[in-house]
Amino acid sequence: GQQVMQIPQYQHVQEGEDFTTYCNSSTTLSNIQWYKQRPGGHPVFLIQLVKSGEVKKQKRLTFQFGEAKKNSSLHITATQTTDVGTYFCAGPEAGKSTFGDGTTLTVKP
Amino acid sequence: KAGVTQTPRYLIKTRGQQVTLSCSPISGHRSVSWYQQTPGQGLQFLFEYFSETQRNKGNFPGRFSGRQFSNSRSEMNVSTLELGDSALYLCASSLAQGTGELFFGEGSRLTVL
Repeated sequence: GQQVMQIPQYQHVQEGEDFTTYCNSSTTLSNIQWYKQRPGGHPVFLIQLVKSGEVKKQKRLTFQFGEAKKNSSLHITATQTTDVGTYFCAGPEAGKSTFGDGTTLTVKP
Repeated sequence: KAGVTQTPRYLIKTRGQQVTLSCSPISGHRSVSWYQQTPGQGLQFLFEYFSETQRNKGNFPGRFSGRQFSNSRSEMNVSTLELGDSALYLCASSLAQGTGELFFGEGSRLTVL
């Protein structure tokens, strides 16, 4: 079945540094979604990318969908302490969403 | 509009017992998915229900079951609990079956002693 892998598993940054997490699927995706889970919270939808090569921005967050629609990335510019949490990508397969294991971001003020 | 509501939020059971968790989706959402989240295994898909029918099932033993009612509310049941069933069980609702944006509830944290 489909596998969705994320790297790195953990990332520790100083406040103000940039952060990037990468997501790779073993199969071509029709779309990819990104979620954020704050410590002690539940996953919250951030964005969905559909088109090959698509790039979307949300303030300091930039999301990219690869040309082959098998990989994606999330880049945060100038991290803030409010960015802490685990970022998950999710890709649909056979009618269900398969989640990557997530990248946990900690930000040192 | 109210979000996804899961009950109970916390519960403690002992091995061999069974447990039922409840999920009320966002009004108008007909798809409900269940996920198990553990520190070592991430978010694992359990099953999805749409219009009272199970549409997809993950790789979990038959001890894990679920159902959906005509008002889209869903329940999941775990029988003969094992220590390894300790986890956060998350319910997510969506408008469309399968691939739409998922709205998660706060989860039910199950501890099996």
